[in-house]
Amino acid sequence: AQSVTQPDIHITVSEGASLELRCNYSYGATPYLFWYVQSPGQGLQLLLKYFSGDTLVQGIKGFEAEFKRSQSSFNLRKPSVHWSDAAEYFCAVVGGSYIPTFGRGTSLIVHP
Amino acid sequence: DGGITQSPKYLFRKEGQNVTLSCEQNLNHDAMYWYRQDPGQGLRLIYYSQIVNDFQKGDIAEGYSVSREKKESFPLTVTSAQKNPTAFYLCASSISKGPLLAGRDEQFFGPGTRLTVL
Repeated sequence: AQSVTQPDIHITVSEGASLELRCNYSYGATPYLFWYVQSPGQGLQLLLKYFSGDTLVQGIKGFEAEFKRSQSSFNLRKPSVHWSDAAEYFCAVVGGSYIPTFGRGTSLIVHP
Repeated sequence: DGGITQSPKYLFRKEGQNVTLSCEQNLNHDAMYWYRQDPGQGLRLIYYSQIVNDFQKGDIAEGYSVSREKKESFPLTVTSAQKNPTAFYLCASSISKGPLLAGRDEQFFGPGTRLTVL
């Protein structure tokens, strides 16, 4: 069975600072990996996804993520955070069941 | 515009009542999903359907029921057997390109329904 851990419940950054949100997964093979963003009271929107190939993937809104097999990680990064990036971020993993398992989410707070 | 709609946005229920949450999509997607979201617990899968007239239980199906009579519709009924139904409910869909590409499909989410039991 697959599982995913987002170790940070909350992350606070200043506007313009860099950001890294952590995601660790557990699965016997290379899973499919996704990052979604949720604004308050809304549904989720896909930021980026990884299936195979280049381990650094680019997404929307200036986000990128790097797949590291040796660390079972798929961390989300952004070089300069904007106030509008304040939201909840979810990592999801898809393994043999073909149904995604979501992490508990990381809440991003952006200080002006 | 194509997308997923959920109604109502807010729903209040008295204890002992069944309520049905609506989910409609016009994306021509085969697969549809229901998730429950509670603070600090992420998204937990209630039911999913990969084709019309077929659906499967997810991780927390007890106290819920669904139907999939039409491709575009996947209503969720929260029954009185659900002990703690107050939560935010999200519906999603994905295109489901077939077994060779299964799992790669992005999920598209509706705006959610917030259910409160009074």
